Amino acid sequence: DAGITQSPRHKVTETGTPVTLRCHQTENHRYMYWYRQDPGHGLRLIHYSYGVKDTDKGEVSDGYSVSRSKTEDFLLTLESATSSQTSVYFCAISESVLSGRRTGANVLTFGAGSRLTVL
Amino acid sequence: KQEVTQIPAALSVPEGENLVLNCSFTDSAIYNLQWFRQDPGKGLTSLLLIQSSQREQTSGRLNASLDKSSGRSTLYIAASQPGDSATYLCAAPLGSGAGSYQLTFGKGTKLSVIP
Repeated sequence: DAGITQSPRHKVTETGTPVTLRCHQTENHRYMYWYRQDPGHGLRLIHYSYGVKDTDKGEVSDGYSVSRSKTEDFLLTLESATSSQTSVYFCAISESVLSGRRTGANVLTFGAGSRLTVL
Repeated sequence: KQEVTQIPAALSVPEGENLVLNCSFTDSAIYNLQWFRQDPGKGLTSLLLIQSSQREQTSGRLNASLDKSSGRSTLYIAASQPGDSATYLCAAPLGSGAGSYQLTFGKGTKLSVIP
């Protein structure tokens, strides 16, 4: 799994409480991503990072913030969890595949997921 | 905005059969497309990445093709086995340049191979 560890793997919390999910990688990859997966919606990008302190929003970023103070850690924070944020959260890293003289593709490797239930 | 569609949502086949999974995308300005496999309760595993210049990519019994002009990709699985049972997802980049780092996923095709 390319040295990707997500924690916690399972969490149950109550509406209005803050939650932080951690993604840790051991292979010094530049790009890291947070996705959520929901029935009927598939996988959707929340935020991604292209370096230490460099992050950008994805498709469903409202209600989420991220931080990356070290290359190896990418944190996803729900400041005040809501029931709509009940989901399985996946962290991913991407490895560049060189194509000719440019980097043409980024193969994603995913963590095992964190299942969050907000009551 | 990139939209990715996978049809059918579910497929059941007898063991040994060859099968094709379909993926369509709306923005053809992409350099590549990826196919993933997801087992129940697990993360995603990358199967194949097709560069737009390649048109096809093979790995064992899997063959993926990409036709940018029609906005379609197919994943061909030969001689299916029960161990192939999983959900298969395709993903296309949001666009070129910076957008290439953001993947849009289809909702997947759930494959069941019956012994």
